Formats: sequence, C-alpha cells, structure tokens
Amino acid sequence: SAVISQKPSRDICQRGTSLTIQCQVDSQVTMMFWYRQQPGQSLTLIATANQGSEATYESGFVIDKFPISRPNLTFSTLTVSNMSPEDSSIYLCSVYDRGYGYTFGSGTRLTVV
Amino acid sequence: GQQLNQSPQSMFIQEGEDVSMNCTSSSIFNTWLWYKQDPGEGPVLLIALYKAGELTSNGRLTAQFGITRKDSFLNISASIPSDVGIYFCAGPNYGGSQGNLIFGKGTKLSVKP
Repeated sequence: SAVISQKPSRDICQRGTSLTIQCQVDSQVTMMFWYRQQPGQSLTLIATANQGSEATYESGFVIDKFPISRPNLTFSTLTVSNMSPEDSSIYLCSVYDRGYGYTFGSGTRLTVV
Repeated sequence: GQQLNQSPQSMFIQEGEDVSMNCTSSSIFNTWLWYKQDPGEGPVLLIALYKAGELTSNGRLTAQFGITRKDSFLNISASIPSDVGIYFCAGPNYGGSQGNLIFGKGTKLSVKP
C-alpha cells in the first residue's frame, strides 16, 4: 500500500493560532482526503484535496477555517485556522489508489488550550 | 444520506474469547471494509470485501459481506490483549461526489488478560 508520512504527530496550541499539518505520500496518488476524528468519535470527511485546484469541502467545513493545499500528486497540507478548544481532534490524511485502496496516515493529535 | 450502524459500541471480554461485531445500512454497498485503530494511530485496513456473500479471513479475523449487501460482520477468534482497539466498518460514499469513505461509529474492544 501507499506509505503516508503525516506531520506533526501531535501538538498543543494556543487558541487563536493556526497549525499546518503536512501529508507526504511515497507515490503519486489521484485522490487525497482530510478527515477529522473528534474525541471518542468516528471519522468525518473534511475535504478532498484536489491537485492544482481548490479543495472540495463537505458540509460544515469551510475554506477559511480549513485551508488546504495540494501542489502535486504526493503532497498536501491542511491548516486549522484561528483555533478554539472545539478544534481539539485527531486530523487524518488518507489517499486512494486503485491498486491498494484506501490508506491512512497515523494522524495528528491536536489539543487547543 | 448513507449511514453505517455499527454495534456493539463497546465490548469487554476475557482473553481467549471470541468476538463478533456487525455493521448495517439502509443503503446497498458494493464494498465493505473493516479497519482497526490503535491509540494514537490512524486506521489500518484489516479486511476488504467486494462481493455479496463473500467470506474472507485474515489470521484470527473473519469477515463476511452480507447477501443483501446491506450488512457485514467481523469475527475475532481466541482474542489476545493486542486485539484491544477500536474497530470501524467503512464503505465508499456513493451518495457524495468525492470518492471518500464513510465510517461506522466504531466498536471499542477491551480484552482482560
């Protein structure tokens, strides 16, 4: 399967600040996704990161709060902006490859204080 | 939209016991996936099912794709302490346009040595 490197693995941030999470894949993939997993909850899709164009956001998630970049087929970033304690979650990068299916990064555990 | 109803929500078992969990939906799925998530990690694929009626094993794990295509179960035989974690069922989001997965709420498994 594709190997995903996600950084940072965890962070504690002050409210009102922003954090950028990086997702690096060891091969070119068509589809990259960003999920959020709130404490004790399941995974919820934030957006699909589209290479060369704006990300496609799910209902309830907006670009101003979660700007996403995808400059090429192996890399994407998710920024959590103007953070509040409600943003404390695990953020997960995922990719889809026709050969290997869906693969997930190890996640970024964010705590906002 | 599509939803996956996963049960039970949590299980507390003795080492050596067998475990069964299931996932149902009001919608038809053409693929069922079972993931395990260890603390501080992203989900890892355990078993993928692609055909109605399919029964697939991976070591002590067995999963079946229901004949109606609206349900799936996962069995773990002779549980061991490292089976502890959260198990998620997942399927492709046919109701959306992004090609992402939707997830059940998870089954949290605790194993007492």
